[in-house]
Amino acid sequence: ETGVTQTPRHLVMGMTNKKSLKCEQHLGHNAMYWYKQSAKKPLELMFVYSLEERVENNSVPSRFSPECPNSSHLFLHLHTLQPEDSALYLCASSRGNSGANVLTFGAGSRLTVL
Amino acid sequence: AQTVTQSQPEMSVQEAETVTLSCTYDTSESDYYLFWYKQPPSRQMILVIRQEAYKQQNATENRFSVNFQKAAKSFSLKISDSQLGDAAMYFCAYRSAVGSARQLTFGSGTQLTVLP
Repeated sequence: ETGVTQTPRHLVMGMTNKKSLKCEQHLGHNAMYWYKQSAKKPLELMFVYSLEERVENNSVPSRFSPECPNSSHLFLHLHTLQPEDSALYLCASSRGNSGANVLTFGAGSRLTVL
Repeated sequence: AQTVTQSQPEMSVQEAETVTLSCTYDTSESDYYLFWYKQPPSRQMILVIRQEAYKQQNATENRFSVNFQKAAKSFSLKISDSQLGDAAMYFCAYRSAVGSARQLTFGSGTQLTVLP
């Protein structure tokens, strides 16, 4: 069983819906990440939360809104999405956000926007 | 910005044989980390191996080893005695050691098929 758990595993939503993706880590890590994985494209970092900072990819549309209430939980709130937002959304965590820290990933949430 | 290139979208290998996956990267930094991650059909990304740029010795993990050529900015992964369970998408990744750019940058991946 992975130390990083993502729910739901699959989500289908219309463009006017509001939904949230949830990530929980049981590893005692203090940095968490959201990545977007689209077909035929490299993984794209969306957001980082760590004790030191919150880092955002400025190219991420405002229809994606992250929330990190504590070091173990991370949410990605979704609203008025577009079909091109359909992708696999991966959550990861690490012990710190330095270059040496290894990321542990969850199994992802497959999002389909109709 | 750093870039990571995996020039082989697909590779195949016979079971028990050896295969090498290629990765090149572009950076002006001297201190960084390189990773190979594996993503099987279950979708969970799993760390295969990590290399620290300031270490000249190539990292090894059981059947997995790397050929790290810092001057050439090359970081290939060798899988020996390939097993059916090695079939997956393999991603090469770069991470700066310091600074605001220290997030993982991934290549586009190589899909490895293991033939019985």
